[in-house]
Amino acid sequence: DAKTTQPPSMDCAEGRAANLPCNHSTISGNEYVYWYRQIHSQGPQYIIHGLKNNETNEMASLIITEDRKSSTLILPHATLRDTAVYYCIVGRKLIFGQGTELSVKP
Amino acid sequence: GAVVSQHPSWVICKSGTSVKIECRSLDFQATTMFWYRQFPKQSLMLMATSNEGSKATYEQGVEKDKFLINHASLTLSTLTVTSAHPEDSSFYICSARDQGGLANTEAFFGQGTRLTVV
Repeated sequence: DAKTTQPPSMDCAEGRAANLPCNHSTISGNEYVYWYRQIHSQGPQYIIHGLKNNETNEMASLIITEDRKSSTLILPHATLRDTAVYYCIVGRKLIFGQGTELSVKP
Repeated sequence: GAVVSQHPSWVICKSGTSVKIECRSLDFQATTMFWYRQFPKQSLMLMATSNEGSKATYEQGVEKDKFLINHASLTLSTLTVTSAHPEDSSFYICSARDQGGLANTEAFFGQGTRLTVV
């Protein structure tokens, strides 16, 4: 499964959009991109996943570049409860990297 | 989303004893389940992948005789930490995927089990 690279931390103001980037330059043609988040001391929560088209659900939007080497998770109106570690994962085996610690501030 | 239930949420055991953790998919059939452990301030580390009715596949460096995984039904997998020692104290998390004939469905996670070995 391909490796992913994410910034270790990001801040976002409450009510603004949070854009979390992920690089996955070694992604294979049939590997999906998955996003999960983990709030302290809980199991990870599924957010969204996609192959090559942009995806949107009630939680977030996923933008995948045309060459599929990177993607961005967008939380359109971040709230304090969105403070968590966000993980971008590529492939079916669900190997977790270090993720991005998102802090949403009032 | 689908529900994965893990039990117990926390457990304290004496050194040398064994502890069993259960992971159940409540509203779907989980052909594949994953087991992870997580140390403080670190990411999740995949320990093993189990497929219903077959032996689990362990990641490199994970002792299969110490961490026994059983996936006997499509809704239940168990992880037994045998002869637990203080260094086994960790947060253990399971995940289940509903194959449903599709190769790339999302997986759902249990709430985790905090194991403390004293």
